Amino acid sequence: GAVVSQHPSWVICKSGTSVKIECRSLDFQATTMFWYRQFPKQSLMLMATSNEGSKATYEQGVEKDKFLINHASLTLSTLTVTSAHPEDSSFYICSAPQRGAETQYFGPGTRLLVL
Amino acid sequence: QKEVEQDPGPLSVPEGAIVSLNCTYSNSAFQYFMWYRQYSRKGPELLMYTYSSGNKEDGRFTAQVDKSSKYISLFIRDSQPSDSATYLCAYLSGGGADGLTFGKGTHLIIQP
Repeated sequence: GAVVSQHPSWVICKSGTSVKIECRSLDFQATTMFWYRQFPKQSLMLMATSNEGSKATYEQGVEKDKFLINHASLTLSTLTVTSAHPEDSSFYICSAPQRGAETQYFGPGTRLLVL
Repeated sequence: QKEVEQDPGPLSVPEGAIVSLNCTYSNSAFQYFMWYRQYSRKGPELLMYTYSSGNKEDGRFTAQVDKSSKYISLFIRDSQPSDSATYLCAYLSGGGADGLTFGKGTHLIIQP
């Protein structure tokens, strides 16, 4: 299957700092990528859709000024958690559709812990 | 009513047994149906996807969709300890640029 990478795989930071997470499609181009968040023992919840060359679209209840998304190229999307707080601690996962949205491939996830 | 219902388990079965995992949904706009497997602290891995009612088989896995009942299933034959993971059903409305709607996931344990 297609390969999607994420970096870093885990990060610990102090409250109030900003954290950037990268998502890359390694062997295909993706004009659209998706960012999800998963809390312990919960399912994945879609946060936002990252669009190459245009603004991201956010799901209801997700603060766009707090979770900045930049789709810099056809293989790279970044999620920046600004002024992170302990309640932002979660597992952040990106996905990219290879052929169509029904074949979304997920990255390995980034575990964020805010102290 | 939640859009997707999935029993979180855990579901524990002996090695070699046939496993049945199920989800129900309420959104008639869902057109594509997927099953993902997620190991602890890892990203989900796509197992199967389908868009029509009926059965789709891939090796030891069979996905079954009943659109009239809004019910999907995943069957695993000859289950192995390595199949122990969380299995997530997922749906797509078919807009082409939509994110997926996930069930909560069923934690499956295959006992050696």
